Amino acid sequence: EIVMTQSPATLSVSPGKRATLSCRASQSVSSNLAWYQQKPGQAPRLLIYGASTRATGIPARFSGSGSGTEFSLTISSLQSEDFAVYYCQQYNNWPSITFGQGTRLEIK
Amino acid sequence: QVQLVESGGGVVQPGRSLRLSCAASGFTFSTYAMHWVRQAPGKGLEWVAVIWYDGSNKYYADSVKGRFTISRDNSKNTLYVQMNSLRAEDTAVYYCARDALPFGDMVTHLDYWGQGTLVTVSS
Repeated sequence: EIVMTQSPATLSVSPGKRATLSCRASQSVSSNLAWYQQKPGQAPRLLIYGASTRATGIPARFSGSGSGTEFSLTISSLQSEDFAVYYCQQYNNWPSITFGQGTRLEIK
Repeated sequence: QVQLVESGGGVVQPGRSLRLSCAASGFTFSTYAMHWVRQAPGKGLEWVAVIWYDGSNKYYADSVKGRFTISRDNSKNTLYVQMNSLRAEDTAVYYCARDALPFGDMVTHLDYWGQGTLVTVSS
């Protein structure tokens, strides 16, 4: 099983600033990496797939990068609605897709 | 618009069974693989199972293999999971989610999710 490790567990950032979240895979997943956003009491929402492609309707302030084992999600100029938990997910080693443990992005 | 609505959750005793349903609308259900993903209270996401668009292949997480059965009825646009021999550690919100690739022969990312249904396994 591929283990996905996200860091940091919690990130405190002020509105209007940039946030960078990291995700590391225990072995290469090529670019088969997605990012999701989850707000309290809500289902996850797809943000990024293919490591860097924004999903439909996702604002341009969200960007993804990386390949192999190291990935990042960057949110430029944080808005109030961006404070949530973010998960990465690999789908290279299917069917056993795996998620990271999540990074909580909180208001500083 | 794509809608996925789960139902069937509730409180069940350890060792008992429960069947969850996921009603799909707003897209051609029969052309997409479908997943169940769960989230224990206060925890992260755990993939549970996937079924191919035509039901020809089914795969399970090791934690539920032999106890859970995923199925679908494309004539009713509905996804199911039959959960047997339930354990306390199966307590979670269960989400159904659509795989992004139509007619896929592989698993990819999950582009639409339902709101989830809570299963509590407790005596």
